[in-house]
Formats: sequence, C-alpha cells, structure tokens
Amino acid sequence: ETGVTQTPRHLVMGMTNKKSLKCEQHLGHNAMYWYKQSAKKPLELMFVYNFKEQTENNSVPSRFSPECPNSSHLFLHLHTLQPEDSALYLCASSQYGAAKNIQYFGAGTRLSVL
Amino acid sequence: EDKVVQSPLSLVVHEGDTVTLNCSYEVTNFRSLLWYKQEKKAPTFLFMLTSSGIEKKSGRLSSILDKKELFSILNITATQTGDSAVYLCAVERGNQFYFGTGTSLTVIP
Repeated sequence: ETGVTQTPRHLVMGMTNKKSLKCEQHLGHNAMYWYKQSAKKPLELMFVYNFKEQTENNSVPSRFSPECPNSSHLFLHLHTLQPEDSALYLCASSQYGAAKNIQYFGAGTRLSVL
Repeated sequence: EDKVVQSPLSLVVHEGDTVTLNCSYEVTNFRSLLWYKQEKKAPTFLFMLTSSGIEKKSGRLSSILDKKELFSILNITATQTGDSAVYLCAVERGNQFYFGTGTSLTVIP
C-alpha cells in the first residue's frame, strides 16, 4: 500500500465511450501527476497539479481531460479515445518544494481501447 | 532535450549473481535522481540521490551518483527471484520527473 489509490484497476472501452479514471492520495501531498506507461517506452508525464492548479500539460490530446477538485483527488476524463491510447495510466503524488520531492505511485489503471 | 537513458534494457541472471544497472542523464537544473522498482503494478521507491559519491544502501541494494559524469548505478548483490522486476531511474527537476525506459531484470532460480 503506497498511500495512492487508483480506480478502476482495469478498463475496457470503445472509441465512442466516455469514462473517468480516479486517483486519491492519503499522504498529505500538494502535487499530483498523471503518467502514461506504454510498452518499451519511458513513463510519459501527462499532467501536473500543484495545490489544485494545473502547472504542466505536456501536449496531451484534448480527448484526455484532467480534473483536480482538491489536493487529494485527481481525475482523468476520457472521451473518443483511439486504440493507441491503450496503456497503463499511473497516478503519483509528491510534496513539491520539500527537500525530498519523492513521487509515490498508485497501482495504475490498465486501459484497453477497442 | 532532457533525457534519461538506462542500460541494459534487459538482463537475465541466476540467483546469487551480482548485477549493476546503469542510468545516465542529461537534464538541466538537476535536483535529484531516484530509483524505483516496478513489478506488475505501482513503481515503488528505492533510493533518492542528490550528492555525488555518497552511497545509499538498503540490504542487498545500493546506489551511487556521479554528478560530474552524469550517471548513477544500482547494484544488487546475491540476487533472489524476488528481485525480478523492471528498475526505473528518474531525474527530478522541480515539478518535472524524467524517466528512463527501465531495465528489466529476470532472476532465474
């Protein structure tokens, strides 16, 4: 148990569906992150939130829409995805500004787009 | 362009062997380097390195950073089957973390 919980663990969706991924952290951190992990590629940073404000958006297509209602919760809303979006989506949190800014990860959501 | 390169990409060893995993980086405004172990789920934190030449050690695992040559190594001695995983290296630069592709380690009984 890392203190970061992601749901659902697995998701299969069609290209016309709308779904949301949820992340919750119980570590009191002030920053949360979404990553995409594809086979044989480095983790790709998608979005960063500090104190509920989005600070990074690494050229992510608009079919991915993040939402951070508070410092403990992070959502990733998905719509009209493509098969190449199939991947493991990882959420992480950290204490930005601390001497030890260590990211702690959730178990991820394995997404398959048909 | 900021990047982190890990080598080898994969490694197969026998139980009891010692392995060395490499991580080189080119990241501006470097703050720290982190190592993670990823089995089938969440990457779990192993070490954080900020200063050159100071070894971090935890059981059979150890790691060291060279900020002049821009690399780090992760050593695992007396490997066990439970060490089988993907080992990720990341460089932190404030709000950005740059990851390598990882080294996949398989330990055969």
